[in-house]
Amino acid sequence: QVQLQESGPGLVKPSETLSLTCAVSGYSISSGYYWGWIRQPPGKGLEWIGSIYHSGSTYYNPSLKSRVTISVDTSKNQFSLKLSSVTAADTAVYYCARLLGDCYDYWGQGTLVTVSS
Amino acid sequence: QSALTQPASVSGSPGQSITISCTGTSSDVGSYNLVSWYQQHPGKAPKLMIYEVSKRPSGVSNRFSGSKSGNTASLTISGLQAEDEADYYCCSYAGSSTFVFGTGTKVTVL
Repeated sequence: QVQLQESGPGLVKPSETLSLTCAVSGYSISSGYYWGWIRQPPGKGLEWIGSIYHSGSTYYNPSLKSRVTISVDTSKNQFSLKLSSVTAADTAVYYCARLLGDCYDYWGQGTLVTVSS
Repeated sequence: QSALTQPASVSGSPGQSITISCTGTSSDVGSYNLVSWYQQHPGKAPKLMIYEVSKRPSGVSNRFSGSKSGNTASLTISGLQAEDEADYYCCSYAGSSTFVFGTGTKVTVL
């Protein structure tokens, strides 16, 4: 059974960089598939942030591209998200998930990140 | 890349059928048969219900079905049950390995 678990600080100061990691168990990232990040502001809808392939190829939401970096560490079987210059608008539950073709079939439980001084 | 448009809310009585629409553009929904649907209960992660417009993952009830016409995809829930009360999101491939989600629909079982 594939499982994903997000981790990282729950509170980030404005203008700083948000950093999250997604640990994957039950499947080796280096075996394939794309892996992605999706976020959901409190009380709002889902927003696609971006995806990464095990080889390191990345694809980002054009609206966030200038601030987002997704990376993969196959030795630790995990991938990470960095979002720079955060503002209150970046406060959200951040989910990591596995991309299977056109859909996300396995999701982490999500982690709330609040941007506040 | 704008969010796909969904109705804010849809409601129905137990046993009835409801349909949720998801309207995009010729750059996303209209160009690819790559639309998925997710169910999200409060405080929980989204759950995949439909992929590739109309395919159901193993374990998802056959009361859930999907379709597409032009730039609009639809999710139909037949034989509505109390447990179906949740938020539903569509998602479409938008080219260049990017994706876009819908605005979300709250389904209420009366």
